[in-house]
Amino acid sequence: EAGVVQSPRYKIIEKKQPVAFWCNPISGHNTLYWYLQNLGQGPELLIRYENEEAVDDSQLPKDRFSAERLKGVDSTLKIQPAELGDSAVYLCASSQGTSPSTDTQYFGPGTRLTVL
Amino acid sequence: AQSVTQPDIHITVSEGASLELRCNYSYGATPYLFWYVQSPGQGLQLLLKYFSGDTLVQGIKGFEAEFKRSQSSFNLRKPSVHWSDAAEYFCAVAPSDSNYQLIWGAGTKLIIKP
Repeated sequence: EAGVVQSPRYKIIEKKQPVAFWCNPISGHNTLYWYLQNLGQGPELLIRYENEEAVDDSQLPKDRFSAERLKGVDSTLKIQPAELGDSAVYLCASSQGTSPSTDTQYFGPGTRLTVL
Repeated sequence: AQSVTQPDIHITVSEGASLELRCNYSYGATPYLFWYVQSPGQGLQLLLKYFSGDTLVQGIKGFEAEFKRSQSSFNLRKPSVHWSDAAEYFCAVAPSDSNYQLIWGAGTKLIIKP
């Protein structure tokens, strides 16, 4: 069974440029999560999707971040424009059920973003 | 507010020695508790979880964790570490009385001495 796929694995951009990350969850997983992980810290939830609906985007900085999950499968996270402080690892995870507090989350390898 | 504390930023252990990684949480009721491992270049992987029942939980890769309500702790243990256990370990909690997201600790980096 294929795991969660993320691309690109690494991205280096200059500040004020746009950037997009792509995630393909495990087949059949209804819930998809985007997390941000700063160096030396645990993941922080950005947005959670149940199928194509964003059910928790309370921590997504909506002035510059956007996300979509068309057709309830793949998802894209975008930053426009990027700032120096956005340098971090962006993690995607998926789970079969819809409970973030009990369902096992399966994580992709992440995209490491460096903003210069 | 709920919080998770992993007091040790990094721990160095000799190969073959025993391991204990500490995790303390702050929450009014008994939360759901998790340990994940993040190996270099790989995604976070669930090691074990506690919801209720027996307070000693067995996980994958020979790990176990014990929930101690009186100490608000959920420490991870392994009797004998292997070089392949070198990774970062994250404790996470979720409230048991609402469908809310995981709250993550800052992680403990495990270094194995040959």
